[in-house]
Amino acid sequence: NAGVMQNPRHLVRRRGQEARLRCSPMKGHSHVYWYRQLPEEGLKFMVYLQKENIIDESGMPKERFSAEFPKEGPSILRIQQVVRGDSAAYFCASSLGDRGFDEQYFGPGTRLTVT
Amino acid sequence: DQQVKQNSPSLSVQEGRISILNCDYTNSMFDYFLWYKKYPAEGPTFLISISSIKDKNEDGRFTVFLNKSAKHLSLHIVPSQPGDSAVYFCAASSGSSNTGKLIFGQGTTLQVKP
Repeated sequence: NAGVMQNPRHLVRRRGQEARLRCSPMKGHSHVYWYRQLPEEGLKFMVYLQKENIIDESGMPKERFSAEFPKEGPSILRIQQVVRGDSAAYFCASSLGDRGFDEQYFGPGTRLTVT
Repeated sequence: DQQVKQNSPSLSVQEGRISILNCDYTNSMFDYFLWYKKYPAEGPTFLISISSIKDKNEDGRFTVFLNKSAKHLSLHIVPSQPGDSAVYFCAASSGSSNTGKLIFGQGTTLQVKP
């Protein structure tokens, strides 16, 4: 059973470009979370999605960031017009259920560098 | 507003000795706590958890203690091994909400010396 997959593992973008990060949850998991880790900091919750629905986006910046989890295919975190401050590791996690005690399995992360 | 805090950025212990990692939280709504371990260039992996109805949970060499009145939890690793060297994150969630989002501390880097 494959774990959570994220691609690309490394992404370099110039300021002003768009970044698209993909996450394929574990088989059978319909709950996806995105977290961001800035240098020297812990992981910060961004958004929680179920298939075709955004359930909690309280951690998402109000502008330039969006996320989706379509009926078919991976979840996508999209960052438009990237700035240097967007440079971070972005982790996706998936779980079977939506409660705090439902174990979240993390992917290896996408390291975004904005030049 | 840092709701989960790990005040020690790093910890160094000798192989075979006990490692104690600490974590404090401020939000009384948190009722489930977890520890994750993270190696460089990898995602966090789940280590051990504890519900607020308990004060201790043990799994092999790993034990988590919860002191609700002090809003404090700790992870004990006995005996420590060099392979335990990693960054350890404390995380908390609220089971009463309809989202399982985790609130993480800043992490503590553990180094176990052979």
